[in-house]
Amino acid sequence: GAGVSQSPRYKVAKRGQDVALRCDPISGHVSLFWYQQALGQGPEFLTYFQNEAQLDKSGLPSDRFFAERPEGSVSTLKIQRTQQEDSAVYLCASSLWREEETQYFGPGTRLLVL
Amino acid sequence: GQQLNQSPQSMFIQEGEDVSMNCTSSSIFNTWLWYKQDPGEGPVLLIALYKAGELTSNGRLTAQFGITRKDSFLNISASIPSDVGIYFCAGHPQGGSEKMVFGKGTKLTVNP
Repeated sequence: GAGVSQSPRYKVAKRGQDVALRCDPISGHVSLFWYQQALGQGPEFLTYFQNEAQLDKSGLPSDRFFAERPEGSVSTLKIQRTQQEDSAVYLCASSLWREEETQYFGPGTRLLVL
Repeated sequence: GQQLNQSPQSMFIQEGEDVSMNCTSSSIFNTWLWYKQDPGEGPVLLIALYKAGELTSNGRLTAQFGITRKDSFLNISASIPSDVGIYFCAGHPQGGSEKMVFGKGTKLTVNP
């Protein structure tokens, strides 16, 4: 079956530009997660949804980062007024129900802010 | 926040050799997981561990959840060229935090 998909795969933005990153989780998966992975580092948690409810956004680095999942399926991570330090791979993962269950990752969106 | 100390940072081995990497934490974890990430891809789950002392195998891979719940190791036997990649440990810390925490990864190079 289809896995987690993300788009775009690559995004180049000028500093100050707004970007929107999309995640399509595995069909039927209730939980959805966003992670940020800097070069040479492990993924770091950003935010977590259960259906449409954002239960944890403690990992979002600033108020320029905003995530939504309005219908409990597709999610969008929006970054406003991008800065160079936002350059990273943004990974989306989904799990069937609870956060402790196996998370399946998408291929990521590689964001480069110039 | 929670941190996982993963070692070694990188390994260069010959095909056929066995590999061992480990992860430690100063605090207790409820789960330990091992992922592999290839360039340009997301992490793929290799082994998940849910109970202290648990030893689990997946083909040539074996992982254990430490008795103290503060460490885990991953062994790869008889390495092959396709084992090349970055291996991450991850886990869910005890204490109500829902966040999964990752180590910094072990980069494995296998020379044919």
